[in-house]
Amino acid sequence: AQSVTQPDIHITVSEGASLELRCNYSYGATPYLFWYVQSPGQGLQLLLKYFSGDTLVQGIKGFEAEFKRSQSSFNLRKPSVHWSDAAEYFCAVGARSGGYNKLIFGAGTRLAVHP
Amino acid sequence: EAQVTQNPRYLITVTGKKLTVTCSQNMNHEYMSWYRQDPGLGLRQIYYSMNVEVTDKGDVPEGYKVSRKEKRNFPLILESPSPNQTSLYFCASSSSGEVYGYTFGSGTRLTVV
Repeated sequence: AQSVTQPDIHITVSEGASLELRCNYSYGATPYLFWYVQSPGQGLQLLLKYFSGDTLVQGIKGFEAEFKRSQSSFNLRKPSVHWSDAAEYFCAVGARSGGYNKLIFGAGTRLAVHP
Repeated sequence: EAQVTQNPRYLITVTGKKLTVTCSQNMNHEYMSWYRQDPGLGLRQIYYSMNVEVTDKGDVPEGYKVSRKEKRNFPLILESPSPNQTSLYFCASSSSGEVYGYTFGSGTRLTVV
């Protein structure tokens, strides 16, 4: 069965430091992969997605992610974190179910940013 | 503005009192879904709809009902809410032509006491 694992529940970084959020997936075929961000009191916003092609994907807000098939990973990175990046981040894999394209989410990683 | 609108944003209710959370989208999307978000579990799909009058169960459908009588609306119905349905609920929609191009609502925080 398809699944997504985000090993880190909470991460704290200092403003200006680099960030890497980990995501591992389990999927039989070539996956469709996503990173979403949820700011406090807000819905989910798509940061970036990978369907095929270049394994390094650029997203909004200065984020990027790298698809590594050999490691079944899709880690999210940002070179310099801003205080406004404090939020919860969800990795997801797309899965086809009964003709419907559904998203399977990881448990999320909550990011705190120290000034 | 293209959006998915959920109402209410916050709701506190008592066990057993029927409630409906509304979801409406203005993008003429065919696909709509409901998810619940719980700490440590991420988002899990409750029900989905591929078009008017076409709905099906997701991963955690117990205790919920949905209907899709109009393309723009996809209400979530809790006939007899219980405390284990206390959660944050999200509605999402997408076009059948844009694979996984989901737009999410702002969420409904439900507390059942």
